[in-house]
Amino acid sequence: GAVVSQHPSRVICKSGTSVKIECRSLDFQATTMFWYRQFPKQSLMLMATSNEGSKATYEQGVEKDKFLINHASLTLSTLTVTSAHPEDSSFYICSASTGIQETQYFGPGTRLLVL
Amino acid sequence: QKEVEQNSGPLSVPEGAIASLNCTYSDRGSQSFFWYRQYSGKSPELIMFIYSNGDKEDGRFTAQLNKASQYVSLLIRDSQPSDSATYLCAFWRGGATNKLIFGTGTLLAVQP
Repeated sequence: GAVVSQHPSRVICKSGTSVKIECRSLDFQATTMFWYRQFPKQSLMLMATSNEGSKATYEQGVEKDKFLINHASLTLSTLTVTSAHPEDSSFYICSASTGIQETQYFGPGTRLLVL
Repeated sequence: QKEVEQNSGPLSVPEGAIASLNCTYSDRGSQSFFWYRQYSGKSPELIMFIYSNGDKEDGRFTAQLNKASQYVSLLIRDSQPSDSATYLCAFWRGGATNKLIFGTGTLLAVQP
């Protein structure tokens, strides 16, 4: 149980384009989903927390207009990187839980490369 | 002071030995603690969670929590080369900024 999927697993795009990443909880209802970013050899960095049906809460320093998050259902959250630039190249990982302070289950991650 | 402190390692142990991974945290109000394993290039996967003082065992893994000392550890018995990974300690920071706080991780290398 507690399986989280992400799609795509890897994406290469040109600078200036937008990329959408999907995160799905396959066998449970995720009232809360989280989006992280991880650069090589560095720790996980929380970007935002989203609760189903409400606006995401972004961490300090994360541009909400650049990283659009939608959590429209209890099993799906999307992250759209708008007007991507090479510095946005990173490993984006979502996690899902049944609520705040509950166990987070991570998706397999999406590796984004912006040329 | 960092909210979660872990020795970055690498911690090298021979195959079959016990690996001991340690973590200290600063928030005395924390109630939930987690250990995740992250292989190179992969996302974290949950190993164990612990809420109460004492030991919690699951197969070859034992988590130990001491809230008075603000200390949580993970023991891996009969270590295998496949256990070689980075182990992340995490706890929930409650209050207005509910989020999971991660340590930087300890790299474990199990030598065959």
